Amino acid sequence: QKEVEQNSGPLSVPEGAIASLNCTYSDRGSQSFFWYRQYSGKSPELIMFIYSNGDKEDGRFTAQLNKASQYVSLLIRDSQPSDSATYLCAVKETRGNNRLAFGKGNQVVVIP
Amino acid sequence: ETGVTQTPRHLVMGMTNKKSLKCEQHLGHNAMYWYKQSAKKPLELMFVYNFKEQTENNSVPSRFSPECPNSSHLFLHLHTLQPEDSALYLCASSQDTSSSSTDTQYFGPGTRLTVL
Repeated sequence: QKEVEQNSGPLSVPEGAIASLNCTYSDRGSQSFFWYRQYSGKSPELIMFIYSNGDKEDGRFTAQLNKASQYVSLLIRDSQPSDSATYLCAVKETRGNNRLAFGKGNQVVVIP
Repeated sequence: ETGVTQTPRHLVMGMTNKKSLKCEQHLGHNAMYWYKQSAKKPLELMFVYNFKEQTENNSVPSRFSPECPNSSHLFLHLHTLQPEDSALYLCASSQDTSSSSTDTQYFGPGTRLTVL
């Protein structure tokens, strides 16, 4: 079973629409969750983290966490062409050492 | 700019070469990490250092040899690599390796390595 799973198929959204990305994880004890954005040929850039159940908003981004169902999601409101990138979900493992388990990523393409 | 720098940004080497990757962080962090990112695969953790001490080797082949002389610098020494080692090598840093929920890893720009 994959530790962190993201649907890897490209997500195409029109400019101005909402992009919704989902991530599920297997380590039930995980407490911290991170979303990174990675542009093609670049390194991952932290967008936001969440560790409490519910929603956390930061600008056009909203992270949602449901520990009981073991999923975390990211919403991008008013999508812009500059949001076109791969979004990586990362889960802090309970094994310690500040280990992060990453999903394969979700590619988002915002169509002008 | 995350405060984590890596050099070189691109590297092409033969299988018999010896080269080193360098990472430096200006964030005052105490933990540093090496990751490998290959196409179509999740980021793979390679090594973890906390306060200059190696705290994790994630079953990495010995042809990869890390070195951490101080909390701000991290090296990855490469020798007799294989073509399948071609990948993006990313360095990251964080405050330390505690279990704090909010301790976040910040990545450098990476070194794109090609092994011929």
